[in-house]
Amino acid sequence: SSELTQPPSVSVSPGQTARITCSGGALPQQFANWYRHKPGQAPVLLIYKHTERPSGVPERFSGSTSGPTVTLTISGVQAEDEADYYCQSGDSSGIHVIFGGGTKLTVL
Amino acid sequence: QLQLQESGPGLVKPSETLSLSCSVSGVASISRSTYAWGWIRQPPGKGLEWIGTIYYSGSTYYNPSLKSRVTISTDTSNNQISLTVNSLTAADTAVYYCARVREDDVVQVADTGAFDYWGQGTPVTVSS
Repeated sequence: SSELTQPPSVSVSPGQTARITCSGGALPQQFANWYRHKPGQAPVLLIYKHTERPSGVPERFSGSTSGPTVTLTISGVQAEDEADYYCQSGDSSGIHVIFGGGTKLTVL
Repeated sequence: QLQLQESGPGLVKPSETLSLSCSVSGVASISRSTYAWGWIRQPPGKGLEWIGTIYYSGSTYYNPSLKSRVTISTDTSNNQISLTVNSLTAADTAVYYCARVREDDVVQVADTGAFDYWGQGTPVTVSS
């Protein structure tokens, strides 16, 4: 498959936990990476290789895998977390990069 | 601190060729053997779309849907990465980003890698 599927939107109240799923492509054999993207800003890498967190990214951001689905979990959601979130991986060839369609996180 | 800055014409006409540049600062040379650079774009109201990636060796990989119209190259003397897109249509209107592939991902050659540094993006409108 050459597509990654994400839910278009997720809504949570402040302090709750948000979970954003991603499936398709060559997951989980190909690594999944997650980005946060706010309007007018550059995307920010949150998670790489399914579960690894770059230095400087808060611990409340975590990644996991279960079967063919990978999940970005945001614990203790804050108003500042409202943004679009994208998963990224490779297709079955391992050469071409693919992005999920993005998930808009709304903090109620 | 590594920084990337895209630049381009802003407005181009349909059927013409778009040329964008990405200037990299904070590194001695963009051709270091642990480096790879990508271009990604975001059309208005849509998601991120990978355009292509160039590795330190000069090897390039392109989105199959764009491959026939796209070229990525490097100017190592000026630490710049270039993108050209020809035969433009309105569908090429987007914010264009350049980004770096994580060094460890380049070294391990395990998969396509993650993009850890991004430019702020440059908007491009294709219109007559």
